Amino acid sequence: DAGVTQSPTHLIKTRGQQVTLRCSPKSGHDTVSWYQQALGQGPQFIFQYYEEEERQRGNFPDRFSGHQFPNYSSELNVNALLLGDSALYLCASSSPTSGGPYNEQFFGPGTRLTVL
Amino acid sequence: AQSVTQPDIHITVSEGASLELRCNYSYGATPYLFWYVQSPGQGLQLLLKYFSGDTLVQGIKGFEAEFKRSQSSFNLRKPSVHWSDAAEYFCAVGAKTDKLIFGTGTRLQVFP
Repeated sequence: DAGVTQSPTHLIKTRGQQVTLRCSPKSGHDTVSWYQQALGQGPQFIFQYYEEEERQRGNFPDRFSGHQFPNYSSELNVNALLLGDSALYLCASSSPTSGGPYNEQFFGPGTRLTVL
Repeated sequence: AQSVTQPDIHITVSEGASLELRCNYSYGATPYLFWYVQSPGQGLQLLLKYFSGDTLVQGIKGFEAEFKRSQSSFNLRKPSVHWSDAAEYFCAVGAKTDKLIFGTGTRLQVFP
């Protein structure tokens, strides 16, 4: 059973460019969340997708957008890149059918984005 | 506001020594609490979680954590640290719709 996968592993962009990061959830999971982890910081919640719609959003500007596909995979898009967008971007998946009071998040290995 | 505080940025211990990593949370309702570990260049691995019931929870790799509601704490412990435990440790609280709020992390260094 494959876990959460993310691509690419590493990415280098220049300021002002646009980037797309991809995530495939764990088998059987239908909810995908994205987190940004700046160097030396804890992950910060960007947004969450469920049933192909953004269900919840953290404190991130509109330059950050996403999409979820019918197969539950997801993309994170960042426009007009800034130096401060350099970070590890983590994807997590979960399923509301997992049972219990809270649906455990399973994390992928992340995509390291460097903005020059 | 929901938040998690990990007061220790960096901890150094000798191999075989005991370990306690501190975590304090602020959350209005019954918290769902987690500890994750992150090795260099890796994603997050769940060590243990607390939802309800017994306030002492056991996790993987010999870790345990104790939930203390009166102190709003969820400290992580291990009786004997191994060199392979060197990593970054994150405490998190789970909000509704599965969103996680993380602390800033504690970097653990282990000396032989």
